[in-house]
Amino acid sequence: DAGVIQSPRHEVTEMGQEVTLRCKPISGHDYLFWYRQTMMRGLELLIYFNNNVPIDDSGMPEDRFSAKMPNASFSTLKIQPSEPRDSAVYFCASRRDRGGEKLFFGSGTQLSVL
Amino acid sequence: DQQVKQNSPSLSVQEGRISILNCDYTNSMFDYFLWYKKYPAEGPTFLISISSIKDKNEDGRFTVFLNKSAKHLSLHIVPSQPGDSAVYFCAASGVWDSNSGYALNFGKGTSLLVTP
Repeated sequence: DAGVIQSPRHEVTEMGQEVTLRCKPISGHDYLFWYRQTMMRGLELLIYFNNNVPIDDSGMPEDRFSAKMPNASFSTLKIQPSEPRDSAVYFCASRRDRGGEKLFFGSGTQLSVL
Repeated sequence: DQQVKQNSPSLSVQEGRISILNCDYTNSMFDYFLWYKKYPAEGPTFLISISSIKDKNEDGRFTVFLNKSAKHLSLHIVPSQPGDSAVYFCAASGVWDSNSGYALNFGKGTSLLVTP
């Protein structure tokens, strides 16, 4: 299996622009998570899905952030409009059902908002 | 508010010596704990875990110790090798409700440097 695939690996954009991050989870995994890594807060959970349905989005910082999972093999995290404080590494991770505690992470998207 | 805390941002250890990484948690409902390892430009990867019914779990050079009364766990690496240089994240989960309980709560990470 190719693992969790994220794109792009790097994104540089200007403040106010829309940013879309993409994720393909491991086939057969029922849970998909979006995390953000910063120096100040470490790895923080933004949102997660179970069987394509958003379960907990309490970690989404503001209305500027939105996430979708239209099918079992694809998810997006969108920031509109982006701000410099959104600069971070965004990770997508997936996991097989409730019994599997271990998460499998993608390589992340390094986002820089100028 | 962080429920999983790693109070040491960095640690430097000589090759061959023991590395001890510490982690504290605040939520007594956590019942499963994991350590993840992260190299630069890569996502975190699972290293070792421990259930709350145990106080020790060993896997090769890596051992995790859990002290439930103190809400503290530690990762021991013996002997440390230069390839162990990475950021180590402590994580915890609990099944206290049907929704949020399955998400992992991570600490901020500890950057380990093993010098030759």
